[in-house]
Amino acid sequence: AQSVAQPEDQVNVAEGNPLTVKCTYSVSGNPYLFWYVQYPNRGLQFLLKYITGDNLVKGSYGFEAEFNKSQTSFHLKKPSALVSDSALYFCAVRDRGGSTLGRLYFGRGTQLTVWP
Amino acid sequence: GAVVSQHPSRVICKSGTSVKIECRSLDFQATTMFWYRQFPKKSLMLMATSNEGSKATYEQGVEKDKFLINHASLTLSTLTVTSAHPEDSSFYICSARGERGHTGELFFGEGSRLTVL
Repeated sequence: AQSVAQPEDQVNVAEGNPLTVKCTYSVSGNPYLFWYVQYPNRGLQFLLKYITGDNLVKGSYGFEAEFNKSQTSFHLKKPSALVSDSALYFCAVRDRGGSTLGRLYFGRGTQLTVWP
Repeated sequence: GAVVSQHPSRVICKSGTSVKIECRSLDFQATTMFWYRQFPKKSLMLMATSNEGSKATYEQGVEKDKFLINHASLTLSTLTVTSAHPEDSSFYICSARGERGHTGELFFGEGSRLTVL
């Protein structure tokens, strides 16, 4: 079965500092991995995805993530955090087959708070 | 990017009534839509996968008679919470896949906050 784990409920960083939101995955076969962001009382917005190719994936709003097969990780990073980055971040892995092709399995989310 | 619209964004109803939530893909055809429920401690739970023109596939533990899903067209899926009770109060989010195959990202609606009194 596919699953992802986000070990941190909360990440706090100062504006201008680099940020990392951690995600590890457990899949059978090659993973399709995603990061989404959610602002209060809103739906999820797509940030980036890893399907194949370069291990470093660049996404929206200056975010990037590094796929590490040996560590089964897909951590989200940003070199310089902004206060407006404060939100809830979800890592997800895609189901690759079966009748429910395309469904996502989400981590429990990490609340990122960037203070001025 | 692709847009998925959910309506209503907020709904309050009395216990025992039914509530319908609509999910529309505005600028693409979505053969598959997914319905999620988000609990107060933020985790997202997949409820069902909705395929256009066929019956929805429900996740284990989700009552199909309680949460009726209809995907009558390539741009519209509906979730009806029947005989709603306070424990059904939650944030419901739909999503749609914007391209065929399984490598495309899902686009999410803005969510619908259901409060059952």
